[in-house]
Amino acid sequence: DGGITQSPKYLFRKEGQNVTLSCEQNLNHDAMYWYRQDPGQGLRLIYYSQIVNDFQKGDIAEGYSVSREKKESFPLTVTSAQKNPTAFYLCASSIGTGSSYNSPLHFGNGTRLTVT
Amino acid sequence: AQSVSQHNHHVILSEAASLELGCNYSYGGTVNLFWYVQYPGQHLQLLLKYFSGDPLVKGIKGFEAEFIKSKFSFNLRKPSVQWSDTAEYFCAVNAKRKGTYKYIFGTGTRLKVLA
Repeated sequence: DGGITQSPKYLFRKEGQNVTLSCEQNLNHDAMYWYRQDPGQGLRLIYYSQIVNDFQKGDIAEGYSVSREKKESFPLTVTSAQKNPTAFYLCASSIGTGSSYNSPLHFGNGTRLTVT
Repeated sequence: AQSVSQHNHHVILSEAASLELGCNYSYGGTVNLFWYVQYPGQHLQLLLKYFSGDPLVKGIKGFEAEFIKSKFSFNLRKPSVQWSDTAEYFCAVNAKRKGTYKYIFGTGTRLKVLA
């Protein structure tokens, strides 16, 4: 079955350490996204990528970095510069953001990151 | 700024009660509208969507939503809820910002259905 795989499900890190969250999709989607979900704040866009080797900042990109070296992979690094990194992180994909602008998002199961 | 508002943060209903969750957006251009649902322990999934045409759209599991352009609203409804509808519901708008279509999500509504 096609889908989005996020790993790990739970992640614990010490303050000051960078951590990378994995996101892989086998849907052959061009666009991929990273969202952060906090209680009462909905989903906020961190970064998105429309094609390989290209990505753009979302609404809350500070303290995060991404790469898109392969179509199926879009890892997110939470750096030590992120002031409040403990959150639930969701990866998503869609067919594209150009001509298929109305294509729905497909989500992974998320990674819950706890930084102490 | 473009935004999506979901005014009900927590809703508690008994089984068989009717449901209406409000969603209002602020954007004057063409929009695509979605409702997503997140069941406990599961990933977010699409409930229904509106692109054009009939403003009353039907989704999975007996849900429907009505797009009222004059009110900038896209409320979600279900005539009779079940215990299995307990979940968090997110309204989302896909609209053009800075040349690219982007999703804007509401803050979500947690629905608890009592058996």
